Amino acid sequence: SQTIHQWPATLVQPVGSPLSLECTVEGTSNPNLYWYRQAAGRGLQLLFYSVGIGQISSEVPQNLSASRPQDRQFILSSKKLLLSDSGFYLCAWSRQTYNEKLFFGSGTQLSVL
Amino acid sequence: AQKVTQAQTEISVVEKEDVTLDCVYETRDTTYYLFWYKQPPSGELVFLIRRNSFDEQNEISGRYSWNFQKSTSSFNFTITASQVVDSAVYFCALSEFEKTGANNLFFGTGTRLTVIP
Repeated sequence: SQTIHQWPATLVQPVGSPLSLECTVEGTSNPNLYWYRQAAGRGLQLLFYSVGIGQISSEVPQNLSASRPQDRQFILSSKKLLLSDSGFYLCAWSRQTYNEKLFFGSGTQLSVL
Repeated sequence: AQKVTQAQTEISVVEKEDVTLDCVYETRDTTYYLFWYKQPPSGELVFLIRRNSFDEQNEISGRYSWNFQKSTSSFNFTITASQVVDSAVYFCALSEFEKTGANNLFFGTGTRLTVIP
């Protein structure tokens, strides 16, 4: 069966520090991968998605970047965190067919202070 | 542009009551999919249902049921005989036919359901 791992679960970082969140998927190959952010009291906002290694699409211009160095690995990064980067970050994967459901990881609660 | 509206921010019900969560969507596509996800306190989103735009049959799964009405662009979710374990944030989402191969879901802002024992 397929599983998705996301870490760390919680993270407290000072403003201006770098960020690296990692997500890996097991039990499937060639998945679509996604990063969503959930700000307090708001819905989920799609940040990045990837349909293959090295292929990254950004939905919202921001202080963050994403990379996909391996087929089942998706990394969310920042060189310098802002206060506004605080939120709950969720990684997800789906099969590469249209309108498939997404499977989500357990999320990372990021607090930038 | 696509849009999903969940007008109910928070709902509280007493255990065993029925509750309906509303979802209204906007899209220009004739082919699209609608989803409901549950986010319990642990944070992980749990898939509940996917429905395509050509299937307007209502669906029932145990205590859960969904009412899809294309005429009013709504996809409402009803929990019958609610239980404390149903307490969570529920998200409605829309996915349009996507030529890039991605499956980008556009989420509503969610409805927080609290079931009081």
